[in-house]
Order: sequence, then C-alpha cells, then structure tokens
Amino acid sequence: GENVEQHPSTLSVQEGDSAVIKCTYSDSASNYFPWYKQELGKGPQLIIDIRSNVGEKKDQRIAVTLNKTAKHFSLHITETQPEDSAVYFCAASPGSSNTGKLIFGQGTTLQVKP
Amino acid sequence: KAGVTQTPRYLIKTRGQQVTLSCSPISGHRSVSWYQQTPGQGLQFLFEYFSETQRNKGNFPGRFSGRQFSNSRSEMNVSTLELGDSALYLCASSPGQGSGYTFGSGTRLTVV
Repeated sequence: GENVEQHPSTLSVQEGDSAVIKCTYSDSASNYFPWYKQELGKGPQLIIDIRSNVGEKKDQRIAVTLNKTAKHFSLHITETQPEDSAVYFCAASPGSSNTGKLIFGQGTTLQVKP
Repeated sequence: KAGVTQTPRYLIKTRGQQVTLSCSPISGHRSVSWYQQTPGQGLQFLFEYFSETQRNKGNFPGRFSGRQFSNSRSEMNVSTLELGDSALYLCASSPGQGSGYTFGSGTRLTVV
C-alpha cells in the first residue's frame, strides 16, 4: 500500500551544524514530494517541494534531493538556527492523478541547541 | 493575501454528538483537502474536494463526511462522535494541480 517512512524521529544538533532528514516512499508512481515544518499550535507550513522530474532543489539554507530509483528523498538544512526547531514532515503524492492526497511520514522533531 | 481559515479553533463535544468544522481556502484555490492529526497515527488523509466534487477519499468510516460550496469553502462533519475522534483536524487548500498545499491552523476537537 501507500506508505512513507521517515527517519530519524528525533534529531538534536548544535546551532550552525547541518541537519538531514530522510524519507522513503512505496508508490513508484508518486510524483510530488513536499516538506512541511510544524511549530507548536500551528498547522504545517510548506518549506520546500520537489517534483519527480527534478533531482535536487535548493532554497537558501534548505535543499531537497530525490532519488527516484531508490524511492527516497531527503531534506538538508545547513547553518541551523534555534528558530529551525520544530517538527518536520515529509510527504508524497501517491499515483499520478494529482487528486489532493498526500501521504505523510511520521515526523522528525528537530532541536537546535544554541 | 489571506491564508487558510479554519473555524472554530477549539471544540469540546460529548460522545455520540455530531460536529461540523469549517474551512475557508485561499482565494482562487479550488481544492480543499482534510486531514486528521493524532500523536499515534500522525497525519492521515480524510478526503479532498475540487469544484464541489469529492475527488478522493481516505480510509475513514462513513461517520466522516464533507462537502464543498460554490465559493470553495468546505465543511466536514463527524457524526456519532467517539473518544478516538479527538484530534487536530487540518484542512489544506491548493489551486488544484496536485501541488502547493497550504494548511490552516486546524481545529482541535476533544471528545469527552
């Protein structure tokens, strides 16, 4: 069935270090992969996304890589700051029909220590 | 540009009651998706509406239903509430091409 596995579940880094979160998806027809940041008491906020026809995308300190063959994608945050502390979710849009459904990973709690 | 607005923010209901949650999407967005978020199950897809039609549905019982109006606003209804329905209910709007989902802040439902 449709499934997205996310690792690690918790990640603690020192301010200024890099953080990497990895996800694996099961549906080879998935073609859209967003990443969300969720802070306490708020809804998930889209921080970066990538389509299956692109291998890498970067936006300032955030980058996402996609390996379609291995069916995994990763979020890279460089020069981490305390305000990056939050729960991060990866997601995949299953199938090719683009009908509003996202399958989410279980989330990674990132703590950036000052 | 106004974001996705969900009302109410908090709700307490008794087992057996029913509840209706509302979601106003970003202006111009025609797709609204609903998700349930719990500590144990994470974020799970409920259903998606596009131009007043349900396009996709997740694996939830028939007690969970929704609808979308001509102005793209959407409501979801849960009937015969159970304790396990306690969760944060999130809606997300998008233009409808399968990307760019923007979430609201959610409605926190507590069933007692």
